[in-house]
Amino acid sequence: SQTIHQWPATLVQPVGSPLSLECTVEGTSNPNLYWYRQAAGRGLQLLFYSVGIGQISSEVPQNLSASRPQDRQFILSSKKLLLSDSGFYLCAWSTTVEDQPQHFGDGTRLSIL
Amino acid sequence: QKEVEQDPGPLSVPEGAIVSLNCTYSNSAFQYFMWYRQYSRKGPELLMYTYSSGNKEDGRFTAQVDKSSKYISLFIRDSQPSDSATYLCAPGAGSYQLTFGKGTKLSVIP
Repeated sequence: SQTIHQWPATLVQPVGSPLSLECTVEGTSNPNLYWYRQAAGRGLQLLFYSVGIGQISSEVPQNLSASRPQDRQFILSSKKLLLSDSGFYLCAWSTTVEDQPQHFGDGTRLSIL
Repeated sequence: QKEVEQDPGPLSVPEGAIVSLNCTYSNSAFQYFMWYRQYSRKGPELLMYTYSSGNKEDGRFTAQVDKSSKYISLFIRDSQPSDSATYLCAPGAGSYQLTFGKGTKLSVIP
C-alpha cells in the first residue's frame, strides 16, 4: 500500500530564516505531488504541484519554492521566511489519472516568530 | 461568488443522530466530488468520492451529488463520537486540481 511521510511535524522558525520541508511517498511510482497551505478559516490553498521530476507548477505568487529532485520526493523551501508564511503545510499525492483522489500526509505546523 | 461554499458550523449532534453536511458550488466544469475528514492537527483523509449525480453509499456514509443544482451532501448515519472532525468537500475538474470547501466542524456528543 502507498504511504506518504512529511517531516517535521512542527517547526518554529524566526523571521528571515530559511525553510526546508520534505515529503516522500512510498509504494507507488511517478505520482503527482502537491503542496498545500491550510490557514485557519481559509481552507486549503494549492501552492505547487508536480507531474514529474523537475516539473513544478506554481499556483500563487509567494515567498516559497518547490523542488522534486527524485520521483517520490517533494521539497518546499524558502530563503527568507515571513510572518505570513505561518500555517499548516500539507503534502499530497495522486496517480497520474486526472480524476483520481489526492491522499494527504499529516502536515507540518509552521510558526514564524 | 466563491467556487465552493460550505457552512463552517460548528455542528453539534447527539450520538446516534443522522448528520447532513452540505456544499454548493458554482463551476459547471466540476465532474468528480470528494469528501475528506480531517481530525485536529492531522491531514485530510479521503472518505468518499463519486463521479456522477446520485447517491453512493459506504457503510454509515452516503455521498449525494445533484449536478443540476450544483449541490453535494454527505450523510452520516448512527453518528459516533469518533466522527467528530472537520469535513471538507472537494469537487474537481479534469486537471490535477481539487477545489476545497473551508470545512464543517462536527462534534458528536456521547
